Amino acid sequence: EVQLVQSGAEVKKPGESLKISCKGSGYRFTTHWIGWVRQMPGKGLEWMGIIYPDDSDTRYSPSFEGQVTISVDNSISTAYLQWRSLKASDTAIYYCARGSYYFDQWGQGTQVTVSS
Amino acid sequence: DIQMTQSPSTLSASVGDRVTITCRASQSISSWLAWYQLKPGKAPNLLIYKASSLESGVPSRFSGSGSGTEFTLTISSLQPDDFATYYCQQYNSYYPEITFGQGTRLEIK
Repeated sequence: EVQLVQSGAEVKKPGESLKISCKGSGYRFTTHWIGWVRQMPGKGLEWMGIIYPDDSDTRYSPSFEGQVTISVDNSISTAYLQWRSLKASDTAIYYCARGSYYFDQWGQGTQVTVSS
Repeated sequence: DIQMTQSPSTLSASVGDRVTITCRASQSISSWLAWYQLKPGKAPNLLIYKASSLESGVPSRFSGSGSGTEFTLTISSLQPDDFATYYCQQYNSYYPEITFGQGTRLEIK
């Protein structure tokens, strides 16, 4: 069974760093793109970017370029989404999802709360 | 950027009803459209890809149609499990951006 399992909820202060994870199983991790999608409170879905694990080819939405870093560790079939300095406006649910053009499997979401 | 506009934003319906959600693209996206179902606390679920292809395991009461700029998601006979929020997503302009509609909340009348 294909699964994407995300790390648990996080509560952080503005200015702190954070790295959340997404572990794939049940399929060949390296040959499927993984994307990240944000859902701010009460809002819709926003595509953040995508990575191809085999060669770490990464593409970002212009809205998120420079704001986050997407990476992978193929030895543990895990993708990451990272912030160097969080802002209150980063409060959201973050989903990882498998696919490049459309997403056929999704993680359960990671709630990130940034508050002083 | 390609903008996706869904209508209605909220839809009230009853079990057994046939419902249709519309998604319009700001420019032609051929058939490069997907539909997802979201429920609170659960992983989103792909329903339809390439405008009309039913994802494996998705009940046949879900169907998609359209091409170019106008698309529809139809649920032929609403079941209790179908009350959720639905999003369309275009993937024609893969670089630099994939965009979602703003969502349609399907609620029980």
